[in-house]
Amino acid sequence: AVQLVESGGGLVQPKESLKISCAASGFTFSNAAMYWVRQAPGKGLEWVARIRTKPNNYATYYADSVKGRFTISRDDSKSMVYLQMDNLKTEDTAMYYCTAGSGSFDYWGQGVMVTVSS
Amino acid sequence: DVVMTQTPVSLSVSLGGQVSISCRSSQSLVHNNGNTYLSWYLQKPGQSPQLLIYKVSNRFSGISDRFSGSGSGTDFTLKISRVEPDDLGVYYCGQGTQYPYTFGAGTKLELK
Repeated sequence: AVQLVESGGGLVQPKESLKISCAASGFTFSNAAMYWVRQAPGKGLEWVARIRTKPNNYATYYADSVKGRFTISRDDSKSMVYLQMDNLKTEDTAMYYCTAGSGSFDYWGQGVMVTVSS
Repeated sequence: DVVMTQTPVSLSVSLGGQVSISCRSSQSLVHNNGNTYLSWYLQKPGQSPQLLIYKVSNRFSGISDRFSGSGSGTDFTLKISRVEPDDLGVYYCGQGTQYPYTFGAGTKLELK
C-alpha cells in the first residue's frame, strides 16, 4: 500500500527556517511527481510546490506565496521529499501535506503541522 | 491564476439521498495534451483529503460508483447518490492543468 509519512513540523518564530520531510513507500518513487499542499487552520487547500522526476530534470514549481522562500527537493535513493522553508511568516502556519500523483493529488500523507508565531 | 468557484458552500442531505456539487473554473481546464485535469477530493473530519475523481470523470481506486463526475471546459459537477454517513465532510474540486494548481473553497456536506 502507498504510504506518505511527513515529519519535522513544529513551532518556529517569524523569519526562522524549518525543513519538513516526507518518507514514501509502496510505489516507484523515482517515477512519481511529488507535491506539497497546505491547509491553514479552518481554511481550504493551497498547493505549495511540485518537483518532477529525473527525466524531467527534477524541475520545480512554486506558488507565488512561497516562491523565493521555500525549496522542494527529493532524494530518490531514499524515497524522500523535502520542503525547506526559510524566512517563515505567520501566514505560513498550516498543516502541510505531502502528496503524489500526476495532474491530480492521488495519495496524501497524514500531514505535519507548522506553526509560525512569536 | 485559475479561480475555482464551488457551489453551494454547504449542503444538507438525508441518508440515501442524492446531491450535486458544481465547480466552475475561470479558464478552460483543457491541457495542451488534450487531458482535462479536474479532480474531486473529500476531506472527512480530522482526516487528510482523499482523491475521489480524477480527469473529470474517472473514479480513483476503491471509490464507490455512487460518486460520479462530469463536465467539460470550465463547468464540472460531482454527483453523490445514495448518500451514506461516511460521505459527510468537505468536498473540494481542484485543477492540475495550469500553474499554480488551485482548489475550490469547498462544499460542506452535512446530514439533514
